Amino acid sequence: EDQVTQSPEALRLQEGESSSLNCSYTVSGLRGLFWYRQDPGKGPEFLFTLYSAGEEKEKERLKATLTKKESFLHITAPKPEDSATYLCAVQPPGGGTALIFGKGTTLSVSS
Amino acid sequence: DAGVIQSPRHEVTEMGQEVTLRCKPISGHDYLFWYRQTMMRGLELLIYFNNNVPIDDSGMPEDRFSAKMPNASFSTLKIQPSEPRDSAVYFCASSYYGRRSDTQYFGPGTRLTVL
Repeated sequence: EDQVTQSPEALRLQEGESSSLNCSYTVSGLRGLFWYRQDPGKGPEFLFTLYSAGEEKEKERLKATLTKKESFLHITAPKPEDSATYLCAVQPPGGGTALIFGKGTTLSVSS
Repeated sequence: DAGVIQSPRHEVTEMGQEVTLRCKPISGHDYLFWYRQTMMRGLELLIYFNNNVPIDDSGMPEDRFSAKMPNASFSTLKIQPSEPRDSAVYFCASSYYGRRSDTQYFGPGTRLTVL
C-alpha cells in the first residue's frame, strides 16, 4: 500500500532558527510530490510541486528538495508567520489521480 | 478567479439528519475531489470526478455517503443519515489535468458537527 510519512509531527523553533521537515514515501513511479501549507480553519494552500529526484524549488524562506524516497522542506530563518501545518502529498502515476497525503508537520515559530 | 467555493462553512446537525455539502470548482478545471480531514486520520480522499463523471469512490465510508456532479460548476456531497463519527472538516478541491502539472486547489472546507 502506498504510504506517505511526515516527521516530526510537531516542531517548535525560535525565530531565525533554521530547520527541515521530512516527507518519506513508498509510492512507485511517482508522478509528482506536492507541498501544501495549512493554517487553522483554512484549506491547504499549494506551495510546490516536485517531479524528479534532484529537483529543488524555492519560495521566500522555503526550499523543497526531492530524492527517490523522500522530500525535505527546508525553512531558513523562519518568522512567526511561517507557523502552520505543512502537508506533503504524492501523486501516483496515471494522471489525474488523487493525492495521498501525509498527516503533516505542525510548525510553531516563536519570536 | 474566486477559487474553490464551498458552502456552508459550518454545519451543526443532529444524528439521523440529512446533510448536504456544496462545492463550486475553479472554472475550467476538469477534476473535482472530495476529502475529509480529522485529527486521527488526516486528509482522506472520499471520491473524485473527471468531467462530471465519478472515477473512484472507494474512499466513501459507506452507503450513507453519496456525491453528485450534475454539471462542471457544481458538486454535492450528501450524508444520510448522519452520525457523530461523521464529524470532520470536508474539503473540495479541483484541478486541471496537464501533461505535467495538475495541482489541486482546495476550498476553505465545511466543518461538520453531528451531535
